[in-house]
Amino acid sequence: ETGVTQSPTHLIKTRGQQVTLRCSSQSGHNTVSWYQQALGQGPQFIFQYYREEENGRGNFPPRFSGLQFPNYSSELNVNALELDDSALYLCASSLGARLDEQFFGPGTRLTVL
Amino acid sequence: KQEVTQIPAALSVPEGENLVLNCSFTDSAIYNLQWFRQDPGKGLTSLLLIQSSQREQTSGRLNASLDKSSGRSTLYIAASQPGDSATYLCAVFNQAGTALIFGKGTTLSVSS
Repeated sequence: ETGVTQSPTHLIKTRGQQVTLRCSSQSGHNTVSWYQQALGQGPQFIFQYYREEENGRGNFPPRFSGLQFPNYSSELNVNALELDDSALYLCASSLGARLDEQFFGPGTRLTVL
Repeated sequence: KQEVTQIPAALSVPEGENLVLNCSFTDSAIYNLQWFRQDPGKGLTSLLLIQSSQREQTSGRLNASLDKSSGRSTLYIAASQPGDSATYLCAVFNQAGTALIFGKGTTLSVSS
């Protein structure tokens, strides 16, 4: 059974640029959730995708957007990067959209200069 | 608004000691609760999921309890080892059941 994978591992961007992060869900899981973790903080929920539709969103601006593909992999896109977007971005997959155990990938470390 | 607090922020113990990590939440009408382990700069490893109808869950040397009436969960680690050194995060599901709300974690250091 393959776990959750994310790419790339690290990324450095400059303010104003755009970035795309990718996530492959665990085998058999149809739900992907994205979280942002700033240094020293707990992860903050960005949004969830269930069967290719957004199924819940946290307190993040519209420049954070996502996609889920038919194979349940997912992308997180961030436009007009700001310095405060520097963080570890975590993807989690689960069997279903509601109350199921979430399994996390290794994360993508984004640095915005 | 649900808030999750973990105290203490850091804990150092000698190898072999039994220890308890605490997690409290403001809204007792919670659904499921999940405990995670995070090594520095890495992703989260799920340790235990406690469903709202359960009072505790066990996995190996780990035991997690849930007391909704008092708004608390504890993670008990028996016979701690240096390999247990990590940050432990507690999270509860939001009302929609779609998102986890996390505490800031307790960073555990076990010395040999």
